[in-house]
Amino acid sequence: NAGVTQTPKFQVLKTGQSMTLQCAQDMNHNSMYWYRQDPGMGLRLIYYSASEGTTDKGEVPNGYNVSRLNKREFSLRLESAAPSQTSVYFCASSESFWRGLGTDTQYFGPGTRLTVL
Amino acid sequence: RKEVEQDPGPFNVPEGATVAFNCTYSNSASQSFFWYRQDCRKEPKLLMSVYSSGNEDGRFTAQLNRASQYISLLIRDSKLSDSATYLCVGTPHGNAGNMLTFGGGTRLMVKP
Repeated sequence: NAGVTQTPKFQVLKTGQSMTLQCAQDMNHNSMYWYRQDPGMGLRLIYYSASEGTTDKGEVPNGYNVSRLNKREFSLRLESAAPSQTSVYFCASSESFWRGLGTDTQYFGPGTRLTVL
Repeated sequence: RKEVEQDPGPFNVPEGATVAFNCTYSNSASQSFFWYRQDCRKEPKLLMSVYSSGNEDGRFTAQLNRASQYISLLIRDSKLSDSATYLCVGTPHGNAGNMLTFGGGTRLMVKP
């Protein structure tokens, strides 16, 4: 049981290049999330998928797109990378999207460190 | 103003000491709170949930003060392995969805 896995672990891009960050979970969770973490800013939600087949914007969605490929996988795409997107990207999953059910704990993957030159 | 604010520290304490962190939140709609622990260059991991007035788990005690809108984390008998960054997390949408708001983190360094 690997939990949440992310690929790649590290990536360097040039401004304008595109790439897709992959995330997969093997816990049969319904909900998945993408965050970015910048120094002093805390984690900020980019996009989330409450359930298979749905995706919604979070706090900082500009410059990103997502795909919930199936229940296990949730990818994040940068169409035209910018230096402001240099960050650590974390994927997370939870059993439920709704609070108060005791199943809303979010489990995080190991992260992808992205540098855009 | 950030929704969740923490003193970034670092807090440098000797082994065996008791240390407390505070975290303030601005959105009174937040129903639940969490403390996550993040080791250097690792992912955040849930330490404790704070659903009502507080929660205790071994050496760790979390308290919630809704009137003053702050959450605290108390660590007793600090261990070297407690050295990490502690993230305070709120739920600005109440029960209407699992969106989390993270504070910037408080760094703790426990010295021998």
